[in-house]
Amino acid sequence: SQQGEEDPQALSIQEGENATMNCSYKTSINNLQWYRQNSGRGLVHLILIRSNEREKHSGRLRVTLDTSKKSSSLLITASRAADTASYFCATDHSGGSNYKLTFGKGTLLTVNP
Amino acid sequence: DAGVIQSPRHEVTEMGQEVTLRCKPISGHDYLFWYRQTMMRGLELLIYFNNNVPIDDSGMPEDRFSAKMPNASFSTLKIQPSEPRDSAVYFCASSIYQGAEQYFGPGTRLTVT
Repeated sequence: SQQGEEDPQALSIQEGENATMNCSYKTSINNLQWYRQNSGRGLVHLILIRSNEREKHSGRLRVTLDTSKKSSSLLITASRAADTASYFCATDHSGGSNYKLTFGKGTLLTVNP
Repeated sequence: DAGVIQSPRHEVTEMGQEVTLRCKPISGHDYLFWYRQTMMRGLELLIYFNNNVPIDDSGMPEDRFSAKMPNASFSTLKIQPSEPRDSAVYFCASSIYQGAEQYFGPGTRLTVT
């Protein structure tokens, strides 16, 4: 399967701490995206990193990509209770005209106040 | 823009009944995606459209599932006849171009009894 796999499956931290989630994949990608899903809601796009990029920042989010290891990490700094959600990586394995964005099973992050 | 709109938000139906889920993508987005999310299988791509044309329906589980996009602002996913194993949350998403971030609707929670 080309599906990205997040690690850990669940993470529980205290407010103010940093949270790191990892994503590994098996075949080459065009880009990798991170999404957040609050309970009972749709997914919300957080950040997109292209295969020729190594790091990207957006507010308290930092994403790294290591194509040699086929892995990515999402760091949330100074976490807040409102960051409690599931986080998914999605890998773009498109080739030619066939577009394919494959989602992992997600990391459930709980930030305790 | 109101974002991606899905209806109904919840649907409870009996096995054997026809179910129709509806989606209105964000105006100007050329790509529309239908996903299914379950605890066991995660988020699965069912079908996607480009400029109202179905491009890849390899994720549609069976002939009981069909999807249409009669115009740029409306799509339907139909299940006929429905079965209990179709119970899931169905998401519609749209994006402006291939490889771009996807914007998800709130989902339709389908329960087939």
